[in-house]
Amino acid sequence: GAVVSQHPSWVICKSGTSVKIECRSLDFQATTMFWYRQFPKQSLMLMATSNEGSKATYEQGVEKDKFLINHASLTLSTLTVTSAHPEDSSFYICSAPTGRITGELFFGEGSRLTVL
Amino acid sequence: AQSVTQPDIHITVSEGASLELRCNYSYGATPYLFWYVQSPGQGLQLLLKYFSGDTLVQGIKGFEAEFKRSQSSFNLRKPSVHWSDAAEYFCAVGTSGGYQKVTFGTGTKLQVIP
Repeated sequence: GAVVSQHPSWVICKSGTSVKIECRSLDFQATTMFWYRQFPKQSLMLMATSNEGSKATYEQGVEKDKFLINHASLTLSTLTVTSAHPEDSSFYICSAPTGRITGELFFGEGSRLTVL
Repeated sequence: AQSVTQPDIHITVSEGASLELRCNYSYGATPYLFWYVQSPGQGLQLLLKYFSGDTLVQGIKGFEAEFKRSQSSFNLRKPSVHWSDAAEYFCAVGTSGGYQKVTFGTGTKLQVIP
């Protein structure tokens, strides 16, 4: 079946640096992808909707200049955490619609970011 | 706006015992309902979904869930739990208006003891 893959699965960086996380749809095209953030012992919070060929749509309270999203092709969306700080440390998960039913999503494996 | 409530943060069951995880939703129209499972440090896997038809839906790994409109509930059940079922379970509601309107509950962490 269709699969969504994220890379890297974990990354450690210094404060002030930028980190890029990739989300790829394997064997299917995704015009839309979603980026979630999950804090420890909490639920997934939708950060933004990535749209192929157009600007991402950010949820209220999410800094678009800090979390840059680029959906360069039908199989790739990237999330760049710019000038990362320790409070950005989190588990970031991407997802893409299966196309079979509204709301049904394939999820990536997640990327754990630790900012020192 | 839709919302999902999972009242149980943490549940412990013995291996072989039955399991029921509660989920209540709030949405004005007919919802799309999902249960996802997340193993430690990993992404989410779809267990089952409901969007219409039979209110009792079967999923993978022996799980089932029943949609009860009168109670706004979509509880997840399994007759006999296995140690490998230990994970975090998320109930989610999707609207009919677009892909992005999927709201997750806060999750229930399941611990299975021998």
